[in-house]
Amino acid sequence: DTTVKQNPRYKLARVGKPVNLICSQTMNHDTMYWYQKKPNQAPKLLLFYYDKILNREADTFEKFQSSRPNNSFCSLYIGSAGLEYSAMYLCASSRRDNQDTQYFGPGTRLLVL
Amino acid sequence: GEQVEQRPPHLSVREGDSAVITCTYTDPNSYYFFWYKQEPGASLQLLMKVFSSTEINEGQGFTVLLNKKDKRLSLNLTAAHPGDSAAYFCAVKTGANTGKLTFGHGTILRVHP
Repeated sequence: DTTVKQNPRYKLARVGKPVNLICSQTMNHDTMYWYQKKPNQAPKLLLFYYDKILNREADTFEKFQSSRPNNSFCSLYIGSAGLEYSAMYLCASSRRDNQDTQYFGPGTRLLVL
Repeated sequence: GEQVEQRPPHLSVREGDSAVITCTYTDPNSYYFFWYKQEPGASLQLLMKVFSSTEINEGQGFTVLLNKKDKRLSLNLTAAHPGDSAAYFCAVKTGANTGKLTFGHGTILRVHP
């Protein structure tokens, strides 16, 4: 099973409110990633967990948090949503011994009003 | 950092025609290359991964060509059919110790009967 699950599939949030997105996989992958995708733009890596180590991209460092309570789950947390956070959020996972081939979830579409 | 340019952004072909999508990248240290297909409402699905030592890979109905000298990666659908209609993304991996992928902006392919 190469399925990556994401919940919810759609999320409506108010400006200034927190948002928490969930991702899960049962492939025992050591690395989990979060990407942001806006229309007509490339998926942009926000952060990734290698095992229990969190790596956040420099240009989005302060905007997103994440937690990985166990190997299967990873969350993406926005403390105070702004209009610019409206996007599709893609979760992916991979295993180091498989050349880091990333398997993607269906995404969560976030709309901030 | 790595930059990936993907062209064309939109492509419309007739059934049975070929369709070519091209990506160029900037970092000569990049060494894993991926093509993903995304159908509407679905996850990005891995089509093919290509390593630096491979120049041509053939899949089911498509060919991937890697030209390291020109830093160019292409996907050629040899006889497109309506089921190939989707968004296609190239991705490039740079750096041995991270799974970080840099994506192209994507190509929306429409295959008309």
